[in-house]
Amino acid sequence: QAGLTQPPSVSKGLRETVTLTCTGNSYNVGNEGAAWLQHHQGHPPKLLSYRNNNRPSGISERFSASRSGNTASLTITGLQPEDGADYYCSTWDYSLRAYVFGTGTKVTVL
Amino acid sequence: DVQVVESGGDLVQPGGSLRLSCAASGLSLRNYWMSWVRQAPGKGLEWVANIKPDGSEKYYVDSVKGRFIIYRDNAKNSLHLQMNSLRAEDTAVYFCTGGDDPDFWGQGTLVTVSS
Repeated sequence: QAGLTQPPSVSKGLRETVTLTCTGNSYNVGNEGAAWLQHHQGHPPKLLSYRNNNRPSGISERFSASRSGNTASLTITGLQPEDGADYYCSTWDYSLRAYVFGTGTKVTVL
Repeated sequence: DVQVVESGGDLVQPGGSLRLSCAASGLSLRNYWMSWVRQAPGKGLEWVANIKPDGSEKYYVDSVKGRFIIYRDNAKNSLHLQMNSLRAEDTAVYFCTGGDDPDFWGQGTLVTVSS
């Protein structure tokens, strides 16, 4: 089953801003938007943003999500060392009748 | 405090079966879509299956259709995944997660399929 496409990796400096992208199609991101998750290996993933771009309770305002057409974005401002992790987008695909995850982006904070 | 705990992961031979369970405390799973998500060694997250709050709808990733069954027992506040005809490529950490988006997660349980 086709997933959502994310750049494999990105590196940015401390306190800088990074924008991650997630590209799908009209049956998934274009229709539903995308949720965003942060995953530190050895721990369960953490939801950063719902498909409607709202943040769950307790998630920092430094994480903000948006969507334009079939591409969803997650912007992290004021990068901190603890932001170094894998980031995944995810959403429902109406064509596949399946939930899909992105390929994941590894963020390195220099 | 909300706690979600998976169990049932083990080493199993190819072709074997395993049942995973997910139990929750501090929240009622009956209110949520529930899913199983897995992560194979060195790979990304992969959605496996999900089930509607009342159990009336179930969906599966193509690679497990006909082999895995997701079901829930709302009276016991639990979720399960019956895995049959296991293959080496099913080796992964399996997470129980709930919500329309994956809002809460367990710590995961390791399934290893190997002879």
